[in-house]
Amino acid sequence: GQQVMQIPQYQHVQEGEDFTTYCNSSTTLSNIQWYKQRPGGHPVFLIQLVKSGEVKKQKRLTFQFGEAKKNSSLHITATQTTDVGTYFCAGRGNDYKLSFGAGTTVTVRA
Amino acid sequence: DAGITQSPRHKVTETGTPVTLRCHQTENHRYMYWYRQDPGHGLRLIHYSYGVKDTDKGEVSDGYSVSRSKTEDFLLTLESATSSQTSVYFCAISDPGQSYEQYFGPGTRLTVT
Repeated sequence: GQQVMQIPQYQHVQEGEDFTTYCNSSTTLSNIQWYKQRPGGHPVFLIQLVKSGEVKKQKRLTFQFGEAKKNSSLHITATQTTDVGTYFCAGRGNDYKLSFGAGTTVTVRA
Repeated sequence: DAGITQSPRHKVTETGTPVTLRCHQTENHRYMYWYRQDPGHGLRLIHYSYGVKDTDKGEVSDGYSVSRSKTEDFLLTLESATSSQTSVYFCAISDPGQSYEQYFGPGTRLTVT
C-alpha cells in the first residue's frame, strides 16, 4: 500500500502568522483526506480532495491536492489559538483503507 | 459526532494477560477499523472489517486479533499483552455512501505494565 509522509512534525506558530503542512505519498492516490485532533481528543474529519489540482477552502484553511495526486498541503492563515492540535493527512488508494501521515502538531504562541 | 463508543476508555493491565477492547456504532456503517496511535507514528491500522465476519489485517496486526459478529460491534483482542502494546487505540467507521470519510471513537488508553 501507499506510504504517506507528512512534514513538519511540529509547528510552533506565533498567533496571527501563517503556516503550511505538507503531505507526500509514495504512490498516486484516489483521494486525500485531512483530519484534526485536538489535544486529548480523537481525529475529526475536515475535508476530502479528489481531483487533480483541487483547491478547497474552509475559512482560514486552504487545502490543495497536487496535479499528480501524490501530494497535498494545508495552509492556515492568521493562526488562532483554536488552531492548536495535530493535523493528519490520510491518503486513499484503490480500496477503502486510509494511510495516515504522522501528523503535524501545532502550538500557538499568544 | 457519529454514534461510536469505545469501552473501556482506560485500562491498566499486566504483561501476559488477555485484553479485549470493544467498539460499538449506531450508524450502520459497513467498514470498521482499529488503529493505534503512538507519538511520532500517527495512526497505524491494526485490523479492519468490511462486513460481518469479514476482517483483514492492517500494517501492525501482530499480537492482535479481531472479531465482528454484528454490524455494530467490532472487538479487538490482545491475546497476551506486552508493554509494546501500551498505546491509545481508536476505532473508526466509514461507509461508501459517505465517500469513506472516517469517523473516530473517543479512544481507549491502554497501559501494559
